[in-house]
Amino acid sequence: DAGVIQSPRHEVTEMGQEVTLRCKPISGHDYLFWYRQTMMRGLELLIYFNNNVPIDDSGMPEDRFSAKMPNASFSTLKIQPSEPRDSAVYFCASSRTGTGVSNTEAFFGQGTRLTVV
Amino acid sequence: QQQVKQSPQSLIVQKGGISIINCAYENTAFDYFPWYQQFPGKGPALLIAIRPDVSEKKEGRFTISFNKSAKQFSLHIMDSQPGDSATYFCAASNEGGSQGNLIFGKGTKLSVKP
Repeated sequence: DAGVIQSPRHEVTEMGQEVTLRCKPISGHDYLFWYRQTMMRGLELLIYFNNNVPIDDSGMPEDRFSAKMPNASFSTLKIQPSEPRDSAVYFCASSRTGTGVSNTEAFFGQGTRLTVV
Repeated sequence: QQQVKQSPQSLIVQKGGISIINCAYENTAFDYFPWYQQFPGKGPALLIAIRPDVSEKKEGRFTISFNKSAKQFSLHIMDSQPGDSATYFCAASNEGGSQGNLIFGKGTKLSVKP
């Protein structure tokens, strides 16, 4: 398996523009997570899905952020309108339901580095 | 109560030495404690993980020590190598069947000098 695939790897956009980040989870994984990483706040969970259904979006910072998972192999995180303070690295991760320590780990993608100018 | 506090923020160790990173948590409902390793430009990758029913877990040169009563856990890297230079994150979760809903520490940047 190719792992969790995120696109684009880098995105530079102007303030006020809409930004869409994409994620393809590992096949067979039923959980998908969106994280944001900044120097100030570290790694923060934004939202996660189970079987394509949003379970907890309490980490989404504002209504400008939205996420969808239309099917088991694709998810998007959208920011509209974008602001300079949204600049960060956004990670997607996936995992599968299980009971052991070693078979339910979360696998992270390479991330999308977003810069809003 | 949801925080995971990690220290030190940065660590410099000589090749062959022992690297020790510590974490503390508040929420006693946490039941999964992983350590992630992150190299520049890459996503975090699971290094080793433990559940609170054991006090220690060892995988190669990496060991987690877990103290349930003190609500602390630590990562020990024996015989540290320059290739271990990375940022290490402790984390905690109480999500039962899925271990991706993680509360992360702020990270420790480890530099191993040759």
